[in-house]
Amino acid sequence: NAGVTQTPKFQVLKTGQSMTLQCAQDMNHEYMSWYRQDPGMGLRLIHYSVGAGITDQGEVPNGYNVSRSTTEDFPLRLLSAAPSQTSVYFCASSYSSRSGFVAGGETMVQFFGPGTRLTVL
Amino acid sequence: LAKTTQPISMDSYEGQEVNITCSHNNIATNDYITWYQQFPSQGPRFIIQGYKTKVTNEVASLFIPADRKSSTLSLPRVSLSDTAVYYCLVEEAAGNKLTFGGGTRVLVKP
Repeated sequence: NAGVTQTPKFQVLKTGQSMTLQCAQDMNHEYMSWYRQDPGMGLRLIHYSVGAGITDQGEVPNGYNVSRSTTEDFPLRLLSAAPSQTSVYFCASSYSSRSGFVAGGETMVQFFGPGTRLTVL
Repeated sequence: LAKTTQPISMDSYEGQEVNITCSHNNIATNDYITWYQQFPSQGPRFIIQGYKTKVTNEVASLFIPADRKSSTLSLPRVSLSDTAVYYCLVEEAAGNKLTFGGGTRVLVKP
């Protein structure tokens, strides 16, 4: 298993350019997510998907689009890059497991990719 | 989602036990506690997860008191390679959105 893979590893864009960050997982996970991490900060959720054809917004969705046409892939599109989008972007996939923690509940474990370091000039 | 509070940083020495306490005063009945580890230039990695009492795996132990308003991650006999940022998260069961705080930066010295 390759786990969660992301391409490219590094990218430099000019303001106004668009691009797509690729994310793929080979673990047959239903859930996939995109996060951004600014220097010295924790991760913030951009968009997530609970399955093919279903996406939803996270904490900081503005300026980003996602789609989920297959279980394996979850690309993140920057529509018109801005310097404020300079960050490290992490993709994650998750499985849910029914556990004894909460009656009828499920718990999640997320697996993260290596990240894409994006600089917008 | 319950807010978490944890120390910004901790220093330790090789071979010592490191305990990181996380406060989550408004944890809800259906919430569980999860810890992630992040090395520089890498994505976070799941360490351990629990709901109450004590959970132990090959990497760490997680202690949760009866009131569940705090939890303590225990790393036994740390090595230099345990230098990382450790995040405490409180998530609703079946939730699929993780909320990361600032984490605790642990520095292990020789």
